[in-house]
Amino acid sequence: QVQLVESGGGLVKPGGSLRLSCAASGFTFSDYYMSWIRQAPGKGLEWLSYLNGGGGTKYYADSVKGRFTISRDNARNSLFLEMHSLRADDTAVYFCARAPLRLGAYSFDTWGQGTLVTVSS
Amino acid sequence: DIQMTQSPSSLSASVGDRVTITCRASRTIINYLNWYQQKPGKAPNLLIHAGSTLQNGVPSRFSGSGSGTNFTLTISSLQPEDFATYSCQQSYYTPFTFGPGTKVDI
Repeated sequence: QVQLVESGGGLVKPGGSLRLSCAASGFTFSDYYMSWIRQAPGKGLEWLSYLNGGGGTKYYADSVKGRFTISRDNARNSLFLEMHSLRADDTAVYFCARAPLRLGAYSFDTWGQGTLVTVSS
Repeated sequence: DIQMTQSPSSLSASVGDRVTITCRASRTIINYLNWYQQKPGKAPNLLIHAGSTLQNGVPSRFSGSGSGTNFTLTISSLQPEDFATYSCQQSYYTPFTFGPGTKVDI
């Protein structure tokens, strides 16, 4: 079945770095845009970034632009998020999500279980 | 950026009730509006995409309507498993933005 599994979260000090991974299975990974979305404790969802199937088109929210980098390895069916200069307000559960294009619009139809990133000294 | 607002922020309802949640966009997003359900400690689940198209496997008691800036999610007869938080999300402009959520409890 279609599945996404994130890993790589943990406790990191302010200013530190972390790399999140998302392993995809059950579908042709290279056919889909993929996104990272996060949710701070007790807060709503915040979309962070997307990447097209070929890896050449990407977009970032202003809150992470210049600090986070999205990438993918289609041979390994994996999506990544490199995070640098982490701040306390980056503390959140990070989800990867599949973004099919249907009826001319994107939606997030499959989500991973999330991985918790805690930024604290 | 497009700002998404939802009302109410929370509501209390009973099993069998008809529930309506409203989502508004700060600019027109045509019908590029998705709805998600999220239960505590779980990932969101897509309910409706493109304003009114029911995602595969989602019960028909869920429906979406609207266009432009005003959208509605309706649950025709609330079931025990529907107590959750519901969020809208626009995909017309990047950055894609979510509403703050509406918590539906007993």
